[in-house]
Amino acid sequence: GQQVMQIPQYQHVQEGEDFTTYCNSSTTLSNIQWYKQRPGGHPVFLIQLVKSGEVKKQKRLTFQFGEAKKNSSLHITATQTTDVGTYFCAGTDGAGSYQLTFGKGTKLSVIP
Amino acid sequence: EAGVTQFPSHSVIEKGQTVTLRCDPISGHDNLYWYRRVMGKEIKFLLHFVKESKQDESGMPNNRFLAERTGGTYSTLKVQPAELEDSGVYFCAQPRGSGEQYFGPGTRLTVT
Repeated sequence: GQQVMQIPQYQHVQEGEDFTTYCNSSTTLSNIQWYKQRPGGHPVFLIQLVKSGEVKKQKRLTFQFGEAKKNSSLHITATQTTDVGTYFCAGTDGAGSYQLTFGKGTKLSVIP
Repeated sequence: EAGVTQFPSHSVIEKGQTVTLRCDPISGHDNLYWYRRVMGKEIKFLLHFVKESKQDESGMPNNRFLAERTGGTYSTLKVQPAELEDSGVYFCAQPRGSGEQYFGPGTRLTVT
């Protein structure tokens, strides 16, 4: 079955430093979504990438989808303490279902 | 529009007991998903309802888990008898728009 690997598992950064998390799928994805889960919270949708090579930006966040639609990354520029949480990538295989296959997540800690 | 709600928010039970988790989705939406996150691991798909029918229950761990969706409205997930490895956070979610999932707040289940 489809597997999504995500690294690193943990990342500690000083406030103001950049942060990147990477996802790699064992199969070609129809699309990839990114979610953020704050401590004690639930996953909140950030963005969806659909096209090969797509790049989208949300303020300090940059999301990329690989040309082969098997890998993706999330980059945060100049992290802030409000960025803390666990970032998950999740892919769908496009087989007519919205079912998501999640990576293990990257837990981001920001040191003020 | 009201969001997805779940209760209880937290349940602590002893091994061998029964627990029922409930999800109240946004009305008028046919699709409903259950996911589970075991501590430190990825969020995993459990099953998918379309209205009251189980579209895909391939993620259900074993026959100790029983999910229902009465009249295509709220859904319940019963674990009987609970085992230690069932501990985790159980989320229900509904797809929106182009497929992004809207997650409920989750139920944290602790089996002691």
